[in-house]
Amino acid sequence: EMEMTQSPATLSVSPGERGTLSCRASQNIGNYVAWYQQKPGQAPRLLIYAASTRANGIPARFSGSASGTEFTLTINSLQAEDFAVYYCQKYDHWPHTFGGGTKVEVK
Amino acid sequence: QVQLVQSGAEVKKPGASVQVSCRALGYSFINYGITWVRQAPGQGLEWMGWINPYGGTVYAQNLQGRVTMTLDTSTTTAYMELRSVASDDTAVYFCGRSNYCSGGGCANYGTDVWGQGTAVTVSS
Repeated sequence: EMEMTQSPATLSVSPGERGTLSCRASQNIGNYVAWYQQKPGQAPRLLIYAASTRANGIPARFSGSASGTEFTLTINSLQAEDFAVYYCQKYDHWPHTFGGGTKVEVK
Repeated sequence: QVQLVQSGAEVKKPGASVQVSCRALGYSFINYGITWVRQAPGQGLEWMGWINPYGGTVYAQNLQGRVTMTLDTSTTTAYMELRSVASDDTAVYFCGRSNYCSGGGCANYGTDVWGQGTAVTVSS
C-alpha cells in the first residue's frame, strides 16, 4: 500500500527561524498532497492543498512545494503559535493516507 | 458560521457498536463529502473513509466490514458506526468536510472544516 513518510519526526527550531518539513510518497501522486497542523486537544487544521495552495486564512509564512515524490512544507519566521504537529496527506487515489507527522518544538 | 458539531464521548465494552454523529451547519450539505479520521492516544491521524453527498462510500481496507458511514440530508447529519469494537479502537474520532461535489462529480481541496472530535473509549 502507498506510504507517506515524513521527516524528521521532531524538528527543533528557535522562534523567528525557518522550519522545513518533508514528506515522501512511495509512488507518484502528482500534486495531490495536503498539509495539516494539529495542536494538542484540537482537530487538525488545513494549511495547504494541491501541494502548494494555501487554504483560506492561512498566513503567507506557510508555503508548500513539490519535486517528484518529495513534498516540503516551509514555515518562515516561526511564531509561538506554530509549534505543533504537522501531517501530510495524499489524496490522489483511495485511501487518503496520512504521514506519521512531524512535531515542531521550541529549540 | 460553517461548522461541524459532533456527538459526545462514548464508553463501550469490547464487542459492542458505537455510532458517532456529525451535524453540518452553515453550508450546503449536499455539495460536500464527509471524511472520517481517528487518532489513538499519542498517535497520528488514521484515515477511516469518506462518504459523498449522494451516499457513496469508500472505507479503509482495515475497517471494511466493521464500519458504515451514512448521511441524513434532512438533518444535515453524517453518521459513522463502528461494530465489534476492541481496545485498539479507543481513539478520538473526527469528521471533516472534504471534496466539493456538483453535477455528479467531486473535486478535492483538502479537508477544510473539522468537527471538535468525539472520544471513544473501549474498556471492559
